[in-house]
Amino acid sequence: DTAVSQTPKYLVTQMGNDKSIKCEQNLGHDTMYWYKQDSKKFLKIMFSYNNKELIINETVPNRFSPKSPDKAHLNLHINSLELGDSAVYFCASSPKPGRKLYYEQYFGPGTRLTVT
Amino acid sequence: AQTVTQSQPEMSVQEAETVTLSCTYDTSESDYYLFWYKQPPSRQMILVIRQEAYKQQNATENRFSVNFQKAAKSFSLKISDSQLGDAAMYFCAYRTAEMDSNYQLIWGAGTKLIIKP
Repeated sequence: DTAVSQTPKYLVTQMGNDKSIKCEQNLGHDTMYWYKQDSKKFLKIMFSYNNKELIINETVPNRFSPKSPDKAHLNLHINSLELGDSAVYFCASSPKPGRKLYYEQYFGPGTRLTVT
Repeated sequence: AQTVTQSQPEMSVQEAETVTLSCTYDTSESDYYLFWYKQPPSRQMILVIRQEAYKQQNATENRFSVNFQKAAKSFSLKISDSQLGDAAMYFCAYRTAEMDSNYQLIWGAGTKLIIKP
């Protein structure tokens, strides 16, 4: 059973297009995240939702819009794609923090977005 | 604000030998969590090991162990008996233990580990 899944795994598209990446977790976690990993492998947090409520909204262009229909799903929609948006996008989830062992983040397989 | 520094962009080690990856962090908090994640060429992010700051005992997971020096704010990862499958990017990460935080992980820039056969 896949814990955190993302679709698609690869996405090639042209500048100006609008695209979405979907993320689902079956771990029962309360918190979900979107990260961007650039070509130098640096991980940057973009958004985080806790039980459908936006709790982290880092400085990203407003062309990026997350949507969480329920706490098991966090989708990322990108409008008017630009060359600089090419990167790997990771979805992750974690349980509500507490003094428990399973407080780390679990990652999806990543979506490699290429904008041409 | 907390920061995490991995000063080694790349490390290499001979297969079967031991290698240590460095990580230092800066925080004014006394209670927090530290993690090492591994990202092999498949790009999947995999948790390697975790450490709770209030525990003095260093965490170990099979061939992976940490040297947690709280006063020095250092959290190095030791890989014993290196295997070809250990080749990956390794990321160090920090998270506050405060319950009202936004649960964000603070990430280092990563260290690329090369295993020589």
